[in-house]
Amino acid sequence: AQKITQTQPGMFVQEKEAVTLDCTYDTSDPSYGLFWYKQPSSGEMIFLIYQGSYDQQNATEGRYSLNFQKARKSANLVISASQLGDSAMYFCAMTSGYSTLTFGKGTMLLVSP
Amino acid sequence: EPEVTQTPSHQVTQMGQEVILRCVPISNHLYFYWYRQILGQKVEFLVSFYNNEISEKSEIFDDQFSVERPDGSNFTLKIRSTKLEDSAMYFCASSVLGREDGYTFGSGTRLTVV
Repeated sequence: AQKITQTQPGMFVQEKEAVTLDCTYDTSDPSYGLFWYKQPSSGEMIFLIYQGSYDQQNATEGRYSLNFQKARKSANLVISASQLGDSAMYFCAMTSGYSTLTFGKGTMLLVSP
Repeated sequence: EPEVTQTPSHQVTQMGQEVILRCVPISNHLYFYWYRQILGQKVEFLVSFYNNEISEKSEIFDDQFSVERPDGSNFTLKIRSTKLEDSAMYFCASSVLGREDGYTFGSGTRLTVV
């Protein structure tokens, strides 16, 4: 079985600052994938970034980077230079073995001017 | 950029009625999924579909639910007799390779059962 834990129900950050959203995971399968999705108030689910368990380097996509610490089983999302449009719900998710995508409970990020 | 299309965006139905939620996955994707998100809660897996059959389903996906790919493009979720607790956002997703791949989600259908 796989499990995703997001311990921050809400986070606040000022515009232009960086913010880290925490995610820890658990799986017994050595092969897995970690994902971050953004869900704005309009409801759609937007894919942000992906990290494979065998990837040697941390994934980056523009202002998003994934701080992958395999030994700690953590996959934190770092958003640099926050923008007002980053205000949304953020979900960490994973697949492993024969399991389909499993989501964490999410973190609500609010970016203030 | 290719996208997953879901219709309708919002549906209101009376308890006990049947509803069909429609999805058009990305054309070269092979794996299709339905997820749901009850308001304020986490996104939950319902079912995955590959090669014209269900490959995996969750406990939520009971006999009231069914999926179908009636033609080469549409992927539907049917709820036979809706209950109040079926009110949720339903997301369709598709992927090329399955688990190792990024899932592309549709914009969702908000189902309200009254």
